[in-house]
Amino acid sequence: GAGVSQSPRYKVAKRGQDVALRCDPISGHVSLFWYQQALGQGPEFLTYFQNEAQLDKSGLPSDRFFAERPEGSVSTLKIQRTQQEDSAVYLCASSLLRGSNEQFFGPGTRLTVL
Amino acid sequence: KNQVEQSPQSLIILEGKNCTLQCNYTVSPFSNLRWYKQDTGRGPVSLTIMTFSENTKSNGRYTATLDADTKQSSLHITASQLSDSASYICVVSTLSGGGADGLTFGKGTHLIIQP
Repeated sequence: GAGVSQSPRYKVAKRGQDVALRCDPISGHVSLFWYQQALGQGPEFLTYFQNEAQLDKSGLPSDRFFAERPEGSVSTLKIQRTQQEDSAVYLCASSLLRGSNEQFFGPGTRLTVL
Repeated sequence: KNQVEQSPQSLIILEGKNCTLQCNYTVSPFSNLRWYKQDTGRGPVSLTIMTFSENTKSNGRYTATLDADTKQSSLHITASQLSDSASYICVVSTLSGGGADGLTFGKGTHLIIQP
């Protein structure tokens, strides 16, 4: 596709459930980023991939959060045993090269944990 | 600690009026500053990017300014339209890289244009 796509667009989970959020970056983009955006806030960095390598996961809030990009294209962000404070929009962005700073964002997945 | 502060937090103006959004940053070393527009339910989209040597850049009705000495930037919107209603996020990049590609995000200004 022409842009970054994410699915699902909306996800409602009961507290304690596991969820998996998918990101399809722009074809050929080496770098992929996950962000968490709380209501009324700017995006907060979660983790970063260069191809299939997860080079930085310093922003992941707990060990319940796990991300992978096994073939260097599609990425999945998994949240185990969801809690209410996990409710947020999860944005994925990709860029052609690391350090290019031109990140293209997907529409996000809005996660609501009840 | 690298920080980006935006003001106002929210703004309501009438259609056709102009407005200016502010961004102050403490990011160092500075690489570039970008303004993003984020429509409700969508991801941010880049409007302008400025490097250290640039002090103004326009994109249609949007004009961004940068004062690298005072570490301030502004985004001026001329003749506002209903479609300008969105959050505007200031993002500053540092040369030192890092996991987030050295990006520090502001919290955004939520702009509402009323007819």
